This record gives sequence, structure tokens and C-alpha cells, in this order.
Amino acid sequence: DQQVKQNSPSLSVQEGRISILNCDYTNSMFDYFLWYKKYPAEGPTFLISISSIKDKNEDGRFTVFLNKSAKHLSLHIVPSQPGDSAVYFCAASRNSGAGSYQLTFGKGTKLSVIP
Amino acid sequence: NAGVTQTPKFRVLKTGQSMTLLCAQDMNHEYMYWYRQDPGMGLRLIHYSVGEGTTAKGEVPDGYNVSRLKKQNFLLGLESAAPSQTSVYFCASSTGQGTDIQYFGAGTRLSVL
Repeated sequence: DQQVKQNSPSLSVQEGRISILNCDYTNSMFDYFLWYKKYPAEGPTFLISISSIKDKNEDGRFTVFLNKSAKHLSLHIVPSQPGDSAVYFCAASRNSGAGSYQLTFGKGTKLSVIP
Repeated sequence: NAGVTQTPKFRVLKTGQSMTLLCAQDMNHEYMYWYRQDPGMGLRLIHYSVGEGTTAKGEVPDGYNVSRLKKQNFLLGLESAAPSQTSVYFCASSTGQGTDIQYFGAGTRLSVL
């Protein structure tokens, strides 16, 4: 059973417009959420995160919103740039005991920003 | 800054062969992880380690073994490779301080024929 779902495999956006990537989760034990960006033939790189005690976190062009009651988070990129074209993974973290935190990843959304 | 380095980058194995993937990090991180990524799938945790000399099973541990003899290295072993283990393998590390960020290597693309 998928605990972190990214229901849109792909998204195309015009340069300069807003990109909105969505993520839903089912496990209420998740208390920290992260977005990773991945270019082809590279490893994922951390983009932005949010704690479950917050509903918004902003870093430059990137904003993550968390709606705990709906178990939903979204990543907003404004304005979108061609260099943002990549696969974006949503990940959720929970304390799995003995001080370790495991990440559960969604399947990813491929964002294409069209010049 | 090297960060997390994985070797090799590519490998082709025949069914039944064995191999070891090496992950090295130079950030003095306590925690290290091995993931696999298959087409259309997210990253799935194979094994992880919360410190030198410790290992634990993740979501998909079957067919793999790991060792963490040194803090900076985390080895992933396939004793008898199977076609189902064809995948891209990623290693990651983190400080282990609370809900921390994991830093990933560039990946190893493995094909088992």
C-alpha cells in the first residue's frame, strides 16, 4: 500500500508561470515532509522541507504548503524556469525507533518547463 | 566537496554472480542508507545503518546484505544476483540529528542478465 502518493506522473508548464506539484499521504505518523529534485543520471538533491507543526515554508521561488487534515502537501514554483525541468519526489519521514528516521518516497512527478 | 560517492557507476552481471557496491561519504555522517529505484517507482529503502558496526533492514532487504565496518563506508552486497535486482541503486547519508536531510550519491546502474 502506497503511503506517499504523487498522482500526476508528469506536468508541463510554460516558463514564467507557476508550477504546482501535489502529494498525498496516508500515514498520520509522518511528521516531516521533504521535496527532492532529480536530474537524469544524478542522485536526488534536497529542495525544501516542512515540519508537521507548520502549514507553509518558503525558500526563494519554492514554497511548500501542508494541509494536515487533508493529508496533502504541495510544492509551488514561481516563476518556473527551464532549469526546473526534473523529476520531483515527495518524501515523508517518521521516527522508526532507536533514533532513526526513515524516508518514504512517492513515485515522482516529471516537470517540464517549456521556454 | 565530494559528499557521497558511489562506485561503480555502471555494472552488468550475469544471473548468479555476486558483487559489492561501495558507498563513501566525507561529511562525517552517522546514518547511511541504500535505496533502489525502479522505473515508475519511488526510491525504496533496502538497508540502513545508524552508526559504525550497525545495520538494519528497510522495506526491501531480501537478496541483499550490507556492512558498515567504517563510519564513512557502507557496502551493499548481492550474493547471487537475479534479474529482479536490475535497478538503479542510490546511497545516502545524514547526520542522524532529528528529522534531518539525506544527501544522495549519483547512483549505480546495475543490469542483471
